[in-house]
Amino acid sequence: NAGVTQTPKFQVLKTGQSMTLQCAQDMNHNSMYWYRQDPGMGLRLIYYSASEGTTDKGEVPNGYNVSRLNKREFSLRLESAAPSQTSVYFCASSLRDRQHFGDGTRLSIL
Amino acid sequence: AQSVTQLGSHVSVSEGALVLLRCNYSSSVPPYLFWYVQYPNQGLQLLLKYTSAATLVKGINGFEAEFKKSETSFHLTKPSAHMSDAAEYFCAVRASNSGYALNFGKGTSLLVTP
Repeated sequence: NAGVTQTPKFQVLKTGQSMTLQCAQDMNHNSMYWYRQDPGMGLRLIYYSASEGTTDKGEVPNGYNVSRLNKREFSLRLESAAPSQTSVYFCASSLRDRQHFGDGTRLSIL
Repeated sequence: AQSVTQLGSHVSVSEGALVLLRCNYSSSVPPYLFWYVQYPNQGLQLLLKYTSAATLVKGINGFEAEFKKSETSFHLTKPSAHMSDAAEYFCAVRASNSGYALNFGKGTSLLVTP
């Protein structure tokens, strides 16, 4: 029973490089989310997908793009990484209110 | 917009003592409120949620929270702290116009001392 799986778990990038964070869920949930967690800031919503085929911006979407590839997968792309995007990224999914989280991707941008 | 404020970024209690983590909300509509826990290097796990069915909500691991509309509060409590309760706790409210997305508080780190 995997739940929400995020890959990779750790990554170091140089400024200007691009990268895609992968997320997959096996619970047949309609909604999926990307959050970033920074010290003292809690979690902030980057993008969400209420259902397959739809995506919407959250609180902090600048510098990111997303793709809801199918019902299971929701990827987050950094086109040109910046040091300000150093963070821990969490993917989550839900049927309704209860969100299930992955273990996060720790991303450092030098 | 719906938001929550957690009072106290760090709380320290002795093992066996009462745990009280504070959360106040701001919402223009009846709120859906949540408490999540995060253990080191892990994702968040749902402790409990309030969806207007009952003002006193019981969750996992002996935690409970009481919704008080007059005080706009949703504080988390546990009668007796265990060492295993040491973690980061987040209060959250369902965001408006964002499906089931959540707006999180900044978190409270709970330290339990022997």
